[in-house]
Amino acid sequence: GAVVSQHPSWVICKSGTSVKIECRSLDFQATTMFWYRQFPKQSLMLMATSNEGSKATYEQGVEKDKFLINHASLTLSTLTVTSAHPEDSSFYICSARGHKGTPPNTGELFFGEGSRLTVL
Amino acid sequence: EDQVTQSPEALRLQEGESSSLNCSYTVSGLRGLFWYRQDPGKGPEFLFTLYSAGEEKEKERLKATLTKKESFLHITAPKPEDSATYLCAVQATGGYQKVTFGIGTKLQVIP
Repeated sequence: GAVVSQHPSWVICKSGTSVKIECRSLDFQATTMFWYRQFPKQSLMLMATSNEGSKATYEQGVEKDKFLINHASLTLSTLTVTSAHPEDSSFYICSARGHKGTPPNTGELFFGEGSRLTVL
Repeated sequence: EDQVTQSPEALRLQEGESSSLNCSYTVSGLRGLFWYRQDPGKGPEFLFTLYSAGEEKEKERLKATLTKKESFLHITAPKPEDSATYLCAVQATGGYQKVTFGIGTKLQVIP
């Protein structure tokens, strides 16, 4: 159980275009999803926290208008990188935590497989 | 601010050579400490959650322990398939749900 699916696994796009990444919890309801970014040899950096049905909470330094996050249902959150530039190239990973009172509910995060974005 | 420091950054072991990875943490109040395994180009895979000092958890060749200041991930008789980056993370008590990650220890097990 506690499977999180992320799509696409990798994407290459031209500078100036927008890219959407989907994150789905397959076997549990995720009221909260988190989006991370990871550079080589660095730790996971939290970009934003999204709660189903409300606006995402962005970490300091993360541009809200560039990284649009939508959490429309208990099983789906999306990250859209708008007007992507080469410096946005990175590994983006989503994670989910279960709804209080339902499995998994012990605090740990379950991660998707990650999406490698390359902006040319 | 919550901090997680992992050591060593990289570790190379011979197959069967047991060792330990360290995770030192600073947090206002610990809600949970997590260990993850991450393979190259993949998302982290959950291993353990520890909640209080003195707690231990085991899974195959891995054993995680927790004190008030640090956690250890002990690897007994490792195999090449244990090669990966091991991440430690902490979550503080309180309303905010943020989880802070360490940079990880890259483990290589040589046959």
